[in-house]
Amino acid sequence: QKEVEQNSGPLSVPEGAIASLNCTYSDRGSQSFFWYRQYSGKSPELIMFIYSNGDKEDGRFTAQLNKASQYVSLLIRDSQPSDSATYLCAVNTGGFKTIFGAGTRLFVKA
Amino acid sequence: NAGVTQTPKFRILKIGQSMTLQCTQDMNHNYMYWYRQDPGMGLKLIYYSVGAGITDKGEVPNGYNVSRSTTEDFPLRLELAAPSQTSVYFCASSSDKTQPQHFGDGTRLSIL
Repeated sequence: QKEVEQNSGPLSVPEGAIASLNCTYSDRGSQSFFWYRQYSGKSPELIMFIYSNGDKEDGRFTAQLNKASQYVSLLIRDSQPSDSATYLCAVNTGGFKTIFGAGTRLFVKA
Repeated sequence: NAGVTQTPKFRILKIGQSMTLQCTQDMNHNYMYWYRQDPGMGLKLIYYSVGAGITDKGEVPNGYNVSRSTTEDFPLRLELAAPSQTSVYFCASSSDKTQPQHFGDGTRLSIL
């Protein structure tokens, strides 16, 4: 089992819809959870981070964490074509290493 | 504000050549990381550092070396380049191991 798993996609949603991106992780001791957005040919940029169970909202983005189910998700409301990118889930288990998933490709159709 | 700066942006090497990828950050972060990203794959940790003078291996360290003589700089050295090292290399830094990482723009390296 991979340490951080994401559906590779592509996930295709119409403009204005809600995009839901999911991530599962294997280490129950994981403490910090991150979502990065990566445009093609560019470097990852931080979108959201969450440390506690529940929801965390920032503008159109909401991160959801369920430690009991070892599950973290990212919701993008009112999706825009500019949101089309690969979204990387990253998990830190409390040690020095942060494990990245392979990413989910999102396409937002105009 | 520069953040994390990587040089060069692109490089083509011949098999067996050596080179150093430069990385510098101006955020006074103690933690620095080197990753490689192959097409369609996630980021694989090569080496990391928790402060000047302290480095440790990540997931895929073979064929690489690092040094950390200052807080700002964390160069990655490739010795005897091999085609398997063709990849995009990202340097990142963070204020703490549990905090978000800030990435440089990357170096696209081809070994022919």
